[in-house]
Amino acid sequence: MVMTQSPATLSVSPGERATLSCRASQSVGSNLAWYQQKPGQAPRLLIYAASTRAAGIPARFSGSGSGTEFTLTISSLQSEDFVVYFCQQYDNWPLTFGGGTKVEIK
Amino acid sequence: QVQLVQSGADVKKPGASVKVSCKASGYTFINHRIGWVRQAPRQGLEWMGWISVYNANTKYVQKFQDRVTMTADTSTSTAYMELRSLRSDDTAVYYCARAKADGLVFDYWGQGTPVTVSS
Repeated sequence: MVMTQSPATLSVSPGERATLSCRASQSVGSNLAWYQQKPGQAPRLLIYAASTRAAGIPARFSGSGSGTEFTLTISSLQSEDFVVYFCQQYDNWPLTFGGGTKVEIK
Repeated sequence: QVQLVQSGADVKKPGASVKVSCKASGYTFINHRIGWVRQAPRQGLEWMGWISVYNANTKYVQKFQDRVTMTADTSTSTAYMELRSLRSDDTAVYYCARAKADGLVFDYWGQGTPVTVSS
């Protein structure tokens, strides 16, 4: 199962909206999670079941999609959001991550 | 609060083994799977496998099947991942993570253990 994220790098201005994409090579239903990773830190769960925010995650993060096409939207980018995001499917073994999208300041 | 605290950085020679520990606190250890993920320098994330703590069942990614063993000590709430026959491309940060209930969504992660394999 291959997970493909696009774009690899996304340049956005603070306060603007960011839209990150994740495509699965076959359907994963809604078994899709999004993680945020800051430099030198472990991944942090943002979204699971494609659209459910994890505990303590701000409302500016939202997920959508099902089957093979998924989107993570950050509605208004804050300074701490300019990091790397990974999608991961948990419908099939082995679990697989996408290659990541780095969100950088424009 | 839920915490996973991993053992410290390690340096190994090719062909050696490494055993990383992951001590859990703040929740009932046996109720949640523990998964292991690694991240090579400047690379993405790669699943290695998981262990169901209550019955010690394991599931490994095929590429690690012959070299990895995941265990859990319920008396100390500590999970372990041992990787044998180390190669230079095993150099990575190794993370443990707790699954929500007994599913496959991993909601709490350890801080990571850097392992360097070098002669």
